[in-house]
Amino acid sequence: DGGITQSPKYLFRKEGQNVTLSCEQNLNHDAMYWYRQDPGQGLRLIYYSQIVNDFQKGDIAEGYSVSREKKESFPLTVTSAQKNPTAFYLCASSGQSANYGYTFGSGTRLTVV
Amino acid sequence: GQQVMQIPQYQHVQEGEDFTTYCNSSTTLSNIQWYKQRPGGHPVFLIQLVKSGEVKKQKRLTFQFGEAKKNSSLHITATQTTDVGTYFCAGLTNFGNEKLTFGTGTRLTIIP
Repeated sequence: DGGITQSPKYLFRKEGQNVTLSCEQNLNHDAMYWYRQDPGQGLRLIYYSQIVNDFQKGDIAEGYSVSREKKESFPLTVTSAQKNPTAFYLCASSGQSANYGYTFGSGTRLTVV
Repeated sequence: GQQVMQIPQYQHVQEGEDFTTYCNSSTTLSNIQWYKQRPGGHPVFLIQLVKSGEVKKQKRLTFQFGEAKKNSSLHITATQTTDVGTYFCAGLTNFGNEKLTFGTGTRLTIIP
């Protein structure tokens, strides 16, 4: 079955360390997105990519970086510059841009210890 | 920038009662989408509305898109425990269709 796989499900990081969250899709979708969700809040866009080797900053890109070397993969790196990285991170993809709804992965819960 | 607000933020209803959440955008939207996120889960796409004044139904769920295409609502008739979760609207503007702006969400809890 097609879908989006995020790994790991839970991740613990020490302050000052960079960490990379994986996102892989086999839906043949062109567009991919990273969102951050804090308790009781909505989804805030971090980065998005429409095509391979191209990506744009979202609303809260500071302290994060991404790459899009393959259509299937859109990893997110949370750098030590991110002031408050503890959150639930959601990856999504869509076909033919956003007009047909997003498919979300099951998310990665990152905790800084 | 574009903002999408939802009210109420929380709603507790007795099982069998109706529920409505409202979504308002600061700008005119080309379309609006609705998602449901179960507790501990991820958002799941429910529906998309495109036309001004459009109304769509999915069993007990009724979705409306305002005439001015700046607001929308989701109404659930006779809630069930399976309706528990957070409902998000998400709007797309006319200026490029690269990304959605998600609303703040309405968290629904059901009292059995």
